[in-house]
Amino acid sequence: AQSVTQLGSHVSVSEGALVLLRCNYSSSVPPYLFWYVQYPNQGLQLLLKYTSAATLVKGINGFEAEFKKSETSFHLTKPSAHMSDAAEYFCAVSNTGNQFYFGTGTSLTVIP
Amino acid sequence: NAGVTQTPKFQVLKTGQSMTLQCAQDMNHEYMSWYRQDPGMGLRLIHYSVGAGITDQGEVPNGYNVSRSTTEDFPLRLLSAAPSQTSVYFCASSSQREQFFGPGTRLTVL
Repeated sequence: AQSVTQLGSHVSVSEGALVLLRCNYSSSVPPYLFWYVQYPNQGLQLLLKYTSAATLVKGINGFEAEFKKSETSFHLTKPSAHMSDAAEYFCAVSNTGNQFYFGTGTSLTVIP
Repeated sequence: NAGVTQTPKFQVLKTGQSMTLQCAQDMNHEYMSWYRQDPGMGLRLIHYSVGAGITDQGEVPNGYNVSRSTTEDFPLRLLSAAPSQTSVYFCASSSQREQFFGPGTRLTVL
């Protein structure tokens, strides 16, 4: 069975501050892990993905995530938040690359 | 290359009405799925298909039907709409360990 837990349904950061969005997963096999971003009234866009290559994954818009097997975590970070980063972020896990299980999402607010 | 397209973008139904949400992809992906998105609940899988002629239930299939007659199309049918089906619906297709999403259909059932 696979599942994803996103800690914190709402996160607020000041512009220029570090962004840290937490994701822990459960999977019986080595997983594929993903972060998606959803801007208001839009669909989901892939930020980055881990597919068993390098454990530190770099994505679009300056985001990156580190796969830590010992902690079953895949936290999303960005060194300096921009106003344009305000959105909903979803972590997802898959063991086949086709069927995905999503977390409940974290809404990021960036304070000017 | 349009990716994943969904129609309509918005729909208002009365309780008991039926309708079909359309989804099409032009990437020749075998795997397609339907999700619903509700506040605080993330995306929940309704139905999915691993290829033409093959469909299966996801986490929340009740009240929805699907079919997959071609690789490109994966329509979602609501036979008798209920207010609990008010939601935003996303279709997705996947390949090479990446899922591509359509822009969504916002459905309101009165």
